[in-house]
Amino acid sequence: AQKVTQAQTEISVVEKEDVTLDCVYETRDTTYYLFWYKQPPSGELVFLIRRNSFDEQNEISGRYSWNFQKSTSSFNFTITASQVVDSAVYFCALTYGGGRANNLFFGTGTRLTVIP
Amino acid sequence: DTAVSQTPKYLVTQMGNDKSIKCEQNLGHDTMYWYKQDSKKFLKIMFSYNNKELIINETVPNRFSPKSPDKAHLNLHINSLELGDSAVYFCASSQRYSGDTQYFGPGTRLTVL
Repeated sequence: AQKVTQAQTEISVVEKEDVTLDCVYETRDTTYYLFWYKQPPSGELVFLIRRNSFDEQNEISGRYSWNFQKSTSSFNFTITASQVVDSAVYFCALTYGGGRANNLFFGTGTRLTVIP
Repeated sequence: DTAVSQTPKYLVTQMGNDKSIKCEQNLGHDTMYWYKQDSKKFLKIMFSYNNKELIINETVPNRFSPKSPDKAHLNLHINSLELGDSAVYFCASSQRYSGDTQYFGPGTRLTVL
C-alpha cells in the first residue's frame, strides 16, 4: 500500500527565514516516483518537482531544494529566504512505476504562511 | 496558452440536479485524470483514462460517469447531485501513465445546495 505522511499541518515563518516541509512515504514498490505540488490561495495545483526512486541526488532550484533519503523514506522540501509569495499549501505525492495505473497518492498537505 | 483547462470554474446547483464538468488538455498527453479535493484539502483520484480507455475507477458512486470523446478531452458527468458532492474537482493529464508528471487544471468548485 502507498502512503504519504505530512505531519506538519501548518507552519508560520517570518519572511526571509528558511523553512523545511517534511514528507515521509511508505511503499513496497522498488520503482516509484515522488512529487511536490504547490497550491496557492488562488487554488490551482502547481507542479514543483518529480523524483524517481533510483535518483537520490538532492536538487536545488533557486530558493527551493529537495532532500530525498531512501534510508528514512523521506523527501523533504526546503525553502530558503522565504517570501510572502511562498504562502500556500504544499502537497507531497507518490506513485508507483510500471503497470497501467498512475494513481497519485497525496499527503494531507502543509499550509505555509509567510509573515511579512 | 492554457495547458489543462476546465469549465466551469464555479458550479452552484441544487440537490438532485445533473451537471457536467468539461476538461481539455493541449499538451498532447495520452492520459487524463479526475481528482476530488474535499473541504479539508485532501486530494483523491477518481478516474483515469489512457487514450480514451478507462484505466482507474476508484470507489466512486456510479452517479459519477466520466466520458472521454478523444484523448484531449475528459468530461465528468454527475447525476442526482448530493450535498456530499460539494468539493473542488481537478482534471489532470500526463504523457503516459507510469510515473509521468501530472499537470493539473485550475479546478472546478462545485457547491450543492
